[in-house]
Amino acid sequence: DAGVIQSPRHEVTEMGQEVTLRCKPISGHDYLFWYRQTMMRGLELLIYFNNNVPIDDSGMPEDRFSAKMPNASFSTLKIQPSEPRDSAVYFCASSSWTGLNTEAFFGQGTRLTVV
Amino acid sequence: EDKVVQSPLSLVVHEGDTVTLNCSYEVTNFRSLLWYKQEKKAPTFLFMLTSSGIEKKSGRLSSILDKKELFSILNITATQTGDSAVYLCAVEVTSGTYKYIFGTGTRLKVLA
Repeated sequence: DAGVIQSPRHEVTEMGQEVTLRCKPISGHDYLFWYRQTMMRGLELLIYFNNNVPIDDSGMPEDRFSAKMPNASFSTLKIQPSEPRDSAVYFCASSSWTGLNTEAFFGQGTRLTVV
Repeated sequence: EDKVVQSPLSLVVHEGDTVTLNCSYEVTNFRSLLWYKQEKKAPTFLFMLTSSGIEKKSGRLSSILDKKELFSILNITATQTGDSAVYLCAVEVTSGTYKYIFGTGTRLKVLA
């Protein structure tokens, strides 16, 4: 498996524009997590899905953020409208509830810059 | 609120030194504690700890968990410049489903 795949790797956008980040989890994994990483706050959990169903979105900072998982192999995180304070690295991670080895595997991240 | 705290925030050592990184936690429904290494890209998995007092080792890295005192340490012996990275501690919590709460990390720099 190629691992967790995120796109784009880098995104530069102007304030007010819509931004869509994409993630393809590892095949067979039933959990998908979206994290945001900044120097000040570290890795913050934004939302996570189990079997494509959103379980906990309490980490989503505002209504400007939304996430979907239409099927087991694809998820999006959308920011509309974007603001400069949204600049960060956004990671997608997936894992499998095997009962033994449940570590999360991370994608390479999307570095978002809002100017 | 679930909380994971790492210390120190940053550390600079010389090659050959031994370092100890700390992770303490306050969470409900603890399942396991994980250590990750992050260089300039995605965090990569190092260890998962579920039982107190049992050391996990991988080469020069080792880690142990104390579930009574709610902390873990990550030791790196004979450090090398390639060990320079951010080391992240995460706690897996479960209540039907499960998720990972991360600390802010310890930034380690190893000088030649």
